[in-house]
Amino acid sequence: EVQLLESGGGLVQPGGSLRLSCAASGFTFGTYDMSWVRQAPGKGLEWVASIGWSGVNKHYADSVKGQFTISRDNSKNTLYLQMNSLRAEDTAVYYCAKHWADWGQGTLVTVSS
Amino acid sequence: QSVLTQPPSASGTPGQRVTIACSGSNSNIGSNIVNWYQQLPGTAPKLLIYNNNQRPSGVPDRFSGSKSGTSASLAISGLQSEDEADYYCATWDGSLNGHVFGTGTKVTVL
Repeated sequence: EVQLLESGGGLVQPGGSLRLSCAASGFTFGTYDMSWVRQAPGKGLEWVASIGWSGVNKHYADSVKGQFTISRDNSKNTLYLQMNSLRAEDTAVYYCAKHWADWGQGTLVTVSS
Repeated sequence: QSVLTQPPSASGTPGQRVTIACSGSNSNIGSNIVNWYQQLPGTAPKLLIYNNNQRPSGVPDRFSGSKSGTSASLAISGLQSEDEADYYCATWDGSLNGHVFGTGTKVTVL
């Protein structure tokens, strides 16, 4: 059974940083492209970033380019999202997804003073 | 603002057929496959349709997808109360060089 477990969310002040993790199990992690998708409270889904199976190819939404960094460690079956210079508009539930059939339960990031 | 436009809401009585449209452009729907997701209240999205019209294992055949030109649609036949959810289309956009989601449609069973 595929499992994706996000962690690392929480309350952070504007300008702060957080690193989200997504621990994967139940499939061969190193052979799948992965993504982060977020959903602000009461809003729709917004794609954030994707990374190819090898970690070489990365794509970012314009809204987070230069601010967020996606990475992966295939030896640890883990996907990451480093988020810097956080703003109130980054407040959202962040989901990791295994393209595109499986999603984690999400982790809430709240940016507030 | 999303580049994929969906109606904000749709509704029907139990047993009826509901259709949700997803309008895009040549750089997204017009040249890439479309997926559809169902999001029940308080839960993560679930893949409902992939590759325009394919159903993952376990998805009832009441759900069907289609694509024509720069638009796609999701049909729910034999509407049931458990179908009350938000539905999103999604695809790759070659101009944006990224994935895009539709604006979302809330389906209500009357």
